[in-house]
Amino acid sequence: EDQVTQSPEALRLQEGESSSLNCSYTVSGLRGLFWYRQDPGKGPEFLFTLYSAGEEKEKERLKATLTKKESFLHITAPKPEDSATYLCAVRGSARQLTFGSGTQLTVLP
Amino acid sequence: EPEVTQTPSHQVTQMGQEVILRCVPISNHLYFYWYRQILGQKVEFLVSFYNNEISEKSEIFDDQFSVERPDGSNFTLKIRSTKLEDSAMYFCASSVQGGNTGELFFGEGSRLTVL
Repeated sequence: EDQVTQSPEALRLQEGESSSLNCSYTVSGLRGLFWYRQDPGKGPEFLFTLYSAGEEKEKERLKATLTKKESFLHITAPKPEDSATYLCAVRGSARQLTFGSGTQLTVLP
Repeated sequence: EPEVTQTPSHQVTQMGQEVILRCVPISNHLYFYWYRQILGQKVEFLVSFYNNEISEKSEIFDDQFSVERPDGSNFTLKIRSTKLEDSAMYFCASSVQGGNTGELFFGEGSRLTVL
């Protein structure tokens, strides 16, 4: 059974204070690790897909990295508008996505 | 920018009633999905749909659930006899590709409240 664990559950940062979110996974045959952003009462918004260890992707202040056991979402100099819940999901041999519980990020001005 | 649209945004129903949630996937996408999120819990997979048939379903997707693509644009989720525990946010998603590749794009969700 595919499993995804995200930490921390919640993170409060000052504007400009860089940090990282962690996603640890157990999957049978990784066929993609996905990062989504979810605002309250909204659907998940696609950010990145990573397929193999060592892969990195960047978008504005966000950078996602992948190892064989975990992924990190690095947030550089965050702004209040980056406040959201960040979800990690994996696709393994079963083709549906298995989601983690998310990290609720709050960036204070 | 193309997006997945869902209706209604919020539906309140009585236990035992039938509910239909509607979705319009992104037009060139071929794979369609329903996920749900009970308040405060993880996003959970319900069902995937391709080429007019279910390709995978979870244990949650029992006989009270059904999906349909009644025309070239809509994708629906029907819950025949709602239960209190069906109260959740239901998300429709679509992707160009399924299987080993393909990012899923989600709609804004339909909040279902069962009284």
